Amino acid sequence: GEDVEQSLFLSVREGDSSVINCTYTDSSSTYLYWYKQEPGAGLQLLTYIFSNMDMKQDQRLTVLLNKKDKHLSLRIADTQTGDSAIYFCAESAPNAGNNRKLIWGLGTSLGVNP
Amino acid sequence: DTEVTQTPKHLVMGMTNKKSLKCEQHMGHRAMYWYKQKAKKPPELMFVYSYEKLSINESVPSRFSPECPNSSLLNLHLHALQPEDSALYLCASSQEPGYQETQYFGPGTRLLVL
Repeated sequence: GEDVEQSLFLSVREGDSSVINCTYTDSSSTYLYWYKQEPGAGLQLLTYIFSNMDMKQDQRLTVLLNKKDKHLSLRIADTQTGDSAIYFCAESAPNAGNNRKLIWGLGTSLGVNP
Repeated sequence: DTEVTQTPKHLVMGMTNKKSLKCEQHMGHRAMYWYKQKAKKPPELMFVYSYEKLSINESVPSRFSPECPNSSLLNLHLHALQPEDSALYLCASSQEPGYQETQYFGPGTRLLVL
């Protein structure tokens, strides 16, 4: 069945780079997503990558996709205290009918130390 | 503009009350979703509306009743809830149901059932 796995915690120093890793199992995935959730807030779409791409960069964020190993990573350059949040990895997988659904990882809690 | 709005932000209700959660988007999206999220867990899909018709009900108890009055609005009617229903309720929308499920989330309604 479909499964998305992430490490639960990551702690970095302010100014360092953070790398959050994710593995997924569904080979029919089309899009893979990173969402950020700050305490008490909703889910913010950070970035997404189509499964035929290897890399996507958007300002401080770099997404790397290794389709052979079904491994996705999110790199945050120059990590700031405002980046402290839970980061969810999600893959788009087939659902009933012509629908698709998001399969979610458990989330990685990123702590940034001053 | 990728904004999804939700009201109210917080809601406290007794087990005999009837209340409604509201969600609105003006992005022209044709798919809308309700999710339930417990603290520090990924969101769980409850309902999907495609072109204003209910397309997926993830075996949600009948005390939750969704409604889609038009393409911009989504309601969740609550009746006779249990304390374990206390959670963050998130609404999301996506451009088209099916192929690309890039979902944009609202800030959520934090529900407490006493």
